Amino acid sequence: DTAVSQTPKYLVTQMGNDKSIKCEQNLGHDTMYWYKQDSKKFLKIMFSYNNKELIINETVPNRFSPKSPDKAHLNLHINSLELGDSAVYFCASGGGAKGAKNIQYFGAGTRLSVL
Amino acid sequence: AQKITQTQPGMFVQEKEAVTLDCTYDTSDPSYGLFWYKQPSSGEMIFLIYQGSYDQQNATEGRYSLNFQKARKSANLVISASQLGDSAMYFCAMRERITQGGSEKLVFGKGTKLTVNP
Repeated sequence: DTAVSQTPKYLVTQMGNDKSIKCEQNLGHDTMYWYKQDSKKFLKIMFSYNNKELIINETVPNRFSPKSPDKAHLNLHINSLELGDSAVYFCASGGGAKGAKNIQYFGAGTRLSVL
Repeated sequence: AQKITQTQPGMFVQEKEAVTLDCTYDTSDPSYGLFWYKQPSSGEMIFLIYQGSYDQQNATEGRYSLNFQKARKSANLVISASQLGDSAMYFCAMRERITQGGSEKLVFGKGTKLTVNP
């Protein structure tokens, strides 16, 4: 059973399109995250949700909108895709409990290519 | 200012030898956590090992150990008996608190590409 699963693994699309990436975790964690890995492999947080509530939004453009229907799911919707959005997007899930290790477990990543 | 520094863009090691990947960090928070992740060429991020700031002993997980030197703010990853499958990118990360409510995020270093030679 995959702990954090995200789909699709690859996404190729034209500039200006709208696309979504789905993420689901079966670890029972309260907190889920979206990270972006750029072409230089640098990973940076985009969003964090705790129990369906937005906690972190790291100055991400409004074209990116996370949606959490329940605490096991955190989807990422991107409007009006731009060339600079090409990257690998990782979903992650963590315990969220205060004082715990709160290890974040990552999905396999979605490689987005905007043409 | 960079909070996680990995000074080795690339490292090479012979199969069966040990290798140390460097990581230094910067924080004023007395409570923090340090992580190492492995990213093979297939792209997934695999959690390897965790060290808490209050942990008295260095963390170990199989062939992975963390050389934690708190005063120097370093958390180097040691891989013993390297295997060909260890060839990958390795990322050091620190858990950083965001709000008083306990929200946290991971801040990553730029990574070290390890190549294990046969």
